[in-house]
Amino acid sequence: GENVEQHPSTLSVQEGDSAVIKCTYSDSASNYFPWYKQELGKRPQLIIDIRSNVGEKKDQRIAVTLNKTAKHFSLHITETQPEDSAVYFCAAGDYTGFQKLVFGTGTRLLVSP
Amino acid sequence: GAVVSQHPSRVICKSGTSVKIECRSLDFQATTMFWYRQFPKKSLMLMATSNEGSKATYEQGVEKDKFLINHASLTLSTLTVTSAHPEDSSFYICSARDPLRANTEAFFGQGTRLTVV
Repeated sequence: GENVEQHPSTLSVQEGDSAVIKCTYSDSASNYFPWYKQELGKRPQLIIDIRSNVGEKKDQRIAVTLNKTAKHFSLHITETQPEDSAVYFCAAGDYTGFQKLVFGTGTRLLVSP
Repeated sequence: GAVVSQHPSRVICKSGTSVKIECRSLDFQATTMFWYRQFPKKSLMLMATSNEGSKATYEQGVEKDKFLINHASLTLSTLTVTSAHPEDSSFYICSARDPLRANTEAFFGQGTRLTVV
């Protein structure tokens, strides 16, 4: 089955700096890679996702890159703000709605003013 | 947008009792829903895949007799924690994806914090 590893487990940055979180996956059949942000005690919220037919996707300060050959994908947050502080999870799975998503172990991001 | 609603958000129960958690898709039909368990400061661990009209598919190590899943309609899946013990205390969260939409985002319920005393 799919196995997703995520690094680092914690990341502290100063406001305005960039933050990068990396994930690797094991199942070459996975073709959908979302990133979720979870604030304490709340449900995960999708912030960006990428399908395997593209190598990069950007949405304002957030970007995701995918290297299918190496089976890794990364989340990039630029110009970080204190409100970006949260736990971020990557996931891997199938594009259709019927297959499960396997989540990474999470990264606790702390952005200091 | 698509919304998944979970109830209750918090529940405290005594050891040995059973607790039922509901997960509803509010504006789409979810033939498949997913149940996760999340320990404090940990990741979401998939427990089982709930399939409408058929048996759930459990992940390795998850006791199907302990965690009963019923998906009797296209908009409702339930997770029943049977004979609950303190070690079952956790955050349980469901998710569903609308396979008919181009965006296959997995929407999460608000989660249920279970405390077994």
